[in-house]
Amino acid sequence: AQKITQTQPGMFVQEKEAVTLDCTYDTSDQSYGLFWYKQPSSGEMIFLIYQGSYDEQNATEGRYSLNFQKARKSANLVISASQLGDSAMYFCAMRDHTGNQFYFGTGTSLTVIP
Amino acid sequence: EAEVAQSPRYKITEKSQAVAFWCDPISGHATLYWYRQILGQGPELLVQFQDESVVDDSQLPKDRFSAERLKGVDSTLKIQPAELGDSAMYLCASSLAITDTQYFGPGTRLTVL
Repeated sequence: AQKITQTQPGMFVQEKEAVTLDCTYDTSDQSYGLFWYKQPSSGEMIFLIYQGSYDEQNATEGRYSLNFQKARKSANLVISASQLGDSAMYFCAMRDHTGNQFYFGTGTSLTVIP
Repeated sequence: EAEVAQSPRYKITEKSQAVAFWCDPISGHATLYWYRQILGQGPELLVQFQDESVVDDSQLPKDRFSAERLKGVDSTLKIQPAELGDSAMYLCASSLAITDTQYFGPGTRLTVL
């Protein structure tokens, strides 16, 4: 069963604008972790932001914020003030309560337009 | 800044041959992961180590894939024999503990001809 769903295969955003990348997840665990990673064309996965299931505040890291809606099981990534270097694949991921299982979505390709 | 090291970065091999990938995690990281990422898809967890012990290898095709982390530090992933469908990016990641954030290496891009 698909654990992480990213419904946007590709997104475009104008430089300096904000963009939201969607992520929904499926779990019956009470304790889990949600992550966003960036993968440039070079291939390396770069950690961006983490949200724990018990965290009441939405996580923020610089220009990245995570819009966590637990009841809807969504964990959307918001990138503010987009830069050309933000063009990459973005993956949402979830760790289960044991830490033994880690699931990635299919990714969203973001292109920042000058 | 500490990084996960992987080698080689690129590997081209013919089917039926054996290939091996090496990963050196961030110093002090007890947990090490190997992922396979087929083009256009998200990474798929193959095997997870806690120190030298395998925590989970349920997605590892054990008829041809093997992984070891003998001293609980660096790790090797082997494929023997390689098949055309094994062409993918193989990513290694490490974390301080099993529930901590994973940090990834640059990956090994495998092409099987």
